[in-house]
Parts: sequence; C-alpha cells; structure tokens
Amino acid sequence: TQLLEQSPQFLSIQEGENLTVYCNSSSVFSSLQWYRQEPGEGPVLLVTVVTGGEVKKLKRLTFQFGDARKDSSLHITAAQPGDTGLYLCAGANRGSTLGRLYFGRGTQLTVWP
Amino acid sequence: DTGVSQNPRHKITKRGQNVTFRCDPISEHNRLYWYRQTLGQGPEFLTYFQNEAQLEKSRLLSDRFSAERPKGSFSTLEIQRTEQGDSAMYLCASSLILNSYNEQFFGPGTRLTVL
Repeated sequence: TQLLEQSPQFLSIQEGENLTVYCNSSSVFSSLQWYRQEPGEGPVLLVTVVTGGEVKKLKRLTFQFGDARKDSSLHITAAQPGDTGLYLCAGANRGSTLGRLYFGRGTQLTVWP
Repeated sequence: DTGVSQNPRHKITKRGQNVTFRCDPISEHNRLYWYRQTLGQGPEFLTYFQNEAQLEKSRLLSDRFSAERPKGSFSTLEIQRTEQGDSAMYLCASSLILNSYNEQFFGPGTRLTVL
C-alpha cells in the first residue's frame, strides 16, 4: 500500500497570509498531482510534478517535488477567499499499477476575508 | 463543455435497493476510472478501464459492485443490495493513454445516500 500523508489536515487563515501544505510518503512516485476540490464537486487538477527537485508556479501557488520524489509541498502567497477548498495530492506510478492514483486525505483550507 | 459528466448528481435510496451510475468521459480519452470518496477522506480507487477492458479492480470493489464500459465510451457502475456503508461520493475520471504522467480529469461526482 502506498500512502500519502498530508498536513495539516485543517488550516484556517486570514486573507493576505502565506501558507504551506505538505504531502509526504515513504514511497517513490513517478509523478505527483495536486488537485483542489470544492464541496459537492470533483477534484480539479492544478499541476503535475514529475522531476525530483522540480518547482512549478501557478500564479500565487508554488509547487515543489522533493529530490527523492517521495514528498511535495504547496505554498500559497497572499491567500484569498477564493483559495478556500480541499487540497489533495495524488501519486502516480508507471508500470503494472499505472491505472490508479494514490490520494492523501487532503488539507482543508479556509481563507477568511 | 466537453469535460467528464456524471449522472445522476445525487441519489437517495433505501438499503437493499440496486443503484446504477453513469459516467461520460472526455471524448478522446481512452482510460476511465472510478473512485469513491467518503467524508474527510481522499478519493479511493475502485477500478479502471482502458477502452472496454477492465484492467484493475481494487479489493474495495466487493461482489455487490460491478462496472462496465461496453463500447469503450461511457461507463456504468452498479451497486446491488446497497448498504448504509455504501453512502459516499462516487467519482469518475478519464485520461489519455498517451499521457505518461497519468493525469486524470474528474467529473462532478454522484452523491449516494443509503437510508
């Protein structure tokens, strides 16, 4: 079983603050995806990281993949109420288990105006 | 909109009844996945298809669950003799076989409530 641990589980901050959420595993993944999910909706893909040490930026969001491809982080600068949602990381493999994604439990972020 | 669609969006049923959900993937996507998500958890993999072939099934998929993708396009997930523990959000996703990073695109889900 390949487990992804996300922390913190809950995060409540004021608009304008910065934050970082973490996704850790003891397993190596060929790629890792970050999704955001709003209540009653499916996850929406934000970014995919594939190379150890890779950093990707999406406006105020910065994603990093660990050198060993076992962990990742998401940093949000100057959070806005529209950033509120459940942030999920998911690991993907090559080879025989190519099909499934392994999801963490997510970080529920609330940004207050 | 050519994203993944799922029907119905909500289903309330009584314990012991059978239910069927439908998923229409993005039109050119040849892989289709089913996941289940309960409150406070991330999605858990159930099964996936490549074209019409069901290539992998999770141990979560008990014998009361069956999924089909008869023509390699839409898929159905049937749950027989529903139990209260089946209450969850059922998510469908699709991807392209040529996408080596297995990026999956999700539909809005079907929320099942078993009374």
